[in-house]
Amino acid sequence: EAQVTQNPRYLITVTGKKLTVTCSQNMNHEYMSWYRQDPGLGLRQIYYSMNVEVTDKGDVPEGYKVSRKEKRNFPLILESPSPNQTSLYFCASSFQGHYEQYFGPGTRLTVT
Amino acid sequence: SQQGEEDPQALSIQEGENATMNCSYKTSINNLQWYRQNSGRGLVHLILIRSNEREKHSGRLRVTLDTSKKSSSLLITASRAADTASYFCATDASFGNEKLTFGTGTRLTIIP
Repeated sequence: EAQVTQNPRYLITVTGKKLTVTCSQNMNHEYMSWYRQDPGLGLRQIYYSMNVEVTDKGDVPEGYKVSRKEKRNFPLILESPSPNQTSLYFCASSFQGHYEQYFGPGTRLTVT
Repeated sequence: SQQGEEDPQALSIQEGENATMNCSYKTSINNLQWYRQNSGRGLVHLILIRSNEREKHSGRLRVTLDTSKKSSSLLITASRAADTASYFCATDASFGNEKLTFGTGTRLTIIP
């Protein structure tokens, strides 16, 4: 089954404790992206990757890191999480960035 | 920055009625897409319309695009309770990188 998986689905953590949210897709997509969704603000892109070892900033990259060492995986790293990063996070993939995007189920992160 | 803005922000209709939501955007685009999100879940792609197309159908969905007015509309005919969800438009600017920008969404509630 074609899918995008994210782990964990729910995470409660404390300020400053490094965390990684994993994302994996099995569709051989070149393009992968991370979004955060906040009430009233819609989806905002954090980082995207057009291929292995190619990543670039989206609209709200501050406080986040990503890496793309393999085509299927695109982890999101929060080196020192802060409460303003409490949000619902989505990973997505597609053949190219402007085509249909396939979304993961989301990760709800709470930073206290 | 938000490229697409949906209108209205929220819409409640009786089951069986038609639902129309609109999207306006600011810059020239390659294509415009509509997505559906059930509460707290990942977005699901509904339909893509290219800049050289004016109308597209998919089942009970009808999408129109007016590039002169930089606007699109999504019509859901004969609505069902299962159509209750948030609907987002996403645009791919015709300049620059492969980046899809989402609007803030329309929350549609179908009353049984």
